[in-house]
Amino acid sequence: NAGVTQTPKFQVLKTGQSMTLQCAQDMNHEYMSWYRQDPGMGLRLIHYSVGAGITDQGEVPNGYNVSRSTTEDFPLRLLSAAPSQTSVYFCASSQRPDRDNSPLHFGNGTRLTVT
Amino acid sequence: RKEVEQDPGPFNVPEGATVAFNCTYSNSASQSFFWYRQDCRKEPKLLMSVYSSGNEDGRFTAQLNRASQYISLLIRDSKLSDSATYLCASHNTNAGKSTFGDGTTLTVKP
Repeated sequence: NAGVTQTPKFQVLKTGQSMTLQCAQDMNHEYMSWYRQDPGMGLRLIHYSVGAGITDQGEVPNGYNVSRSTTEDFPLRLLSAAPSQTSVYFCASSQRPDRDNSPLHFGNGTRLTVT
Repeated sequence: RKEVEQDPGPFNVPEGATVAFNCTYSNSASQSFFWYRQDCRKEPKLLMSVYSSGNEDGRFTAQLNRASQYISLLIRDSKLSDSATYLCASHNTNAGKSTFGDGTTLTVKP
C-alpha cells in the first residue's frame, strides 16, 4: 500500500520555467490538497479538491494551477517559477472532507529550489 | 491574526520531563482537531485526534476546549525519540479545509 506518492523528490528550476509536481494516492480518498512549507511559517494551503472535477483555492494559490481529473491524481503546476516559490511542497489526502476525524495522509514532499 | 496559533517554542527538556503544548484556533466553524508530528525534513504524520472528552494514547494526552477554542497536547515521561516538531491542525468539515499552526519544536536531552 503506497499511500500518497509524490514525484519528484527534488527539483531545481530557473526563474520563468514551468513544471508539474505529481501526486497520486491509492487509498480512494476523496479529498486531496497541496501545502507548501517554508522555514518558520508552518504549512500553508495552496489548492485543494473535495472530489474529482472539483478544485478550490487555499491560502496561497497565486502562481499555481491544479486539476483533478481522477480520484487518484492531483498534479500541481507552477506556471512561471519564481524564487519566492522555493519551498518544500507536500501533497495530502483524506478519506472524507465532510466527516469529522478524517486526518490527512501526507506524501514525502518535493523540495523545490528556484534560482 | 493566524487562524491557528501555537506556542512558538522551542522547548528543550530533559528525559523524563512532562511537557505541554498549547494551540488556539479562531475559526469557530472548525469541527475536527489533530496533532501531527514532523521529524526533520520529513512529512507530517498523525499523532492523535483531539476530542472534547480528551484522548489519551500511552504517554500522550490531547484535550480540546471548544468554549475557549483551545487545544493542548501533554507528553509525560519524555523520551529522546520524542524530539520533533509538533503541529496542531483544525479542520473545517463544511469547507473541507485543514489549517495548521506553525509548529512547536521539542528537543529532549539526555
